[in-house]
Amino acid sequence: GQNIDQPTEMTATEGAIVQINCTYQTSGFNGLFWYQQHAGEAPTFLSYNVLDGLEEKGRFSSFLSRSKGYSYLLLKELQMKDSASYLCAVLDSNYQLIWGAGTKLIIKP
Amino acid sequence: IAGITQAPTSQILAAGRRMTLRCTQDMRHNAMYWYRQDLGLGLRLIHYSNTAGTTGKGEVPDGYSVSRANTDDFPLTLASAVPSQTSVYFCASSAASGRGNDEQFFGPGTRLTVL
Repeated sequence: GQNIDQPTEMTATEGAIVQINCTYQTSGFNGLFWYQQHAGEAPTFLSYNVLDGLEEKGRFSSFLSRSKGYSYLLLKELQMKDSASYLCAVLDSNYQLIWGAGTKLIIKP
Repeated sequence: IAGITQAPTSQILAAGRRMTLRCTQDMRHNAMYWYRQDLGLGLRLIHYSNTAGTTGKGEVPDGYSVSRANTDDFPLTLASAVPSQTSVYFCASSAASGRGNDEQFFGPGTRLTVL
């Protein structure tokens, strides 16, 4: 079966750094996405990785290791507005997105 | 304003009733998707359409049907609603350029309660 695992919830302090991990087992791999979803809102795209390594985009970075079936999203200089759920999704061999349940990130002042 | 819209925003429905959730995009995207999102579960694909005139089944298609008569519209119909269909429904679209980095854009969602 196909499986995406993420922690259910994480707490971090404003101004700090947090790393959200995602492990996956899927039938094929055509890339990994991270989305952000604020409560009551739609998911919005953050990043896409298909090659091993780190992709940096401002305060957010995403890392991928295909051999380990592992990715993480790194958020730096945390702001209160970063309180949201972060969704990991893998594009499988049929180019369908398989979604993790999401990690709820709580930022404390 | 370019984007993707859904209607209604929310709905309470009696079990057994028929309901159509509407989705319209103006980005001229080829592909469209319907997901449901339930607490503690990831987004689950109900149906998809890679291009106008074609549709396909996702992970959880039972009890739902879709049509894609044109590029812009992708309605989702519940023929006879049941309480287990209580969920938040998201419509999404993508350019479906054939490349992997095909970002999906989501509508604001429809919160459906079936009693």
